[in-house]
Amino acid sequence: SYELTQPPSVSVSPGQTASFTCSGDKLGDKYVSWYQQKPGQSPVLAIYQDTKRPSGIPERFSGSNSGNTATLTISGTQAMDEADYYCQAWDSSTVVFGGGTKLTVL
Amino acid sequence: EVELLESGGGLVQPGGSLRLSCAASGFIFTNYAMSWVRQAPGKGLEWVSGVSGSGGNTYYAGSVKGRFTISRDNAKKTLHLQMNSLRAEDTAVYYCAKSVTPDWRHDYWGQGTLITVSA
Repeated sequence: SYELTQPPSVSVSPGQTASFTCSGDKLGDKYVSWYQQKPGQSPVLAIYQDTKRPSGIPERFSGSNSGNTATLTISGTQAMDEADYYCQAWDSSTVVFGGGTKLTVL
Repeated sequence: EVELLESGGGLVQPGGSLRLSCAASGFIFTNYAMSWVRQAPGKGLEWVSGVSGSGGNTYYAGSVKGRFTISRDNAKKTLHLQMNSLRAEDTAVYYCAKSVTPDWRHDYWGQGTLITVSA
């Protein structure tokens, strides 16, 4: 079965750039979505189709996808961005989520 | 405004059954696929099952195939998940999500309902 791999944690200082990677075989051939989940809340779609932002998602969130790696980038990270971030793709008639990355804003 | 409201969660014994429901509003229900996604305590997201807008196509994670059945009532704008032969490892918060194909992104989520499988 298809697997998406994410590092367990990322730490940044406020104002810095946070980058989250998501790795999978030929992932660049698939669409990737990213979700933000804060403690005790439901996930929120942050990026879809690799690079697109839903309405209401700040411009500091951006995405890319090429080769075997998709990347979510938060520019000018704020304390409110502290959360878990999950990547997701569709493969062989199943939805696959990565294991998630916890963002700590120091 | 899109709203998804899950119900049917609770405590069930191993081997038991439970049926979840998700009432949808604020969008044309038949135009969208729907999914169930779960999250075990302290763990990540795990997709469980999805169904096409018409209900004619259903999809399952390997971990639940043969035990869970997804269905939808488009007239009542309601999504269901029938869960049989429940195991301790099925303990999780179950989210209903509106899904957009072909990439199956989940653009709206319910608040979740907790299923606890324990003797």
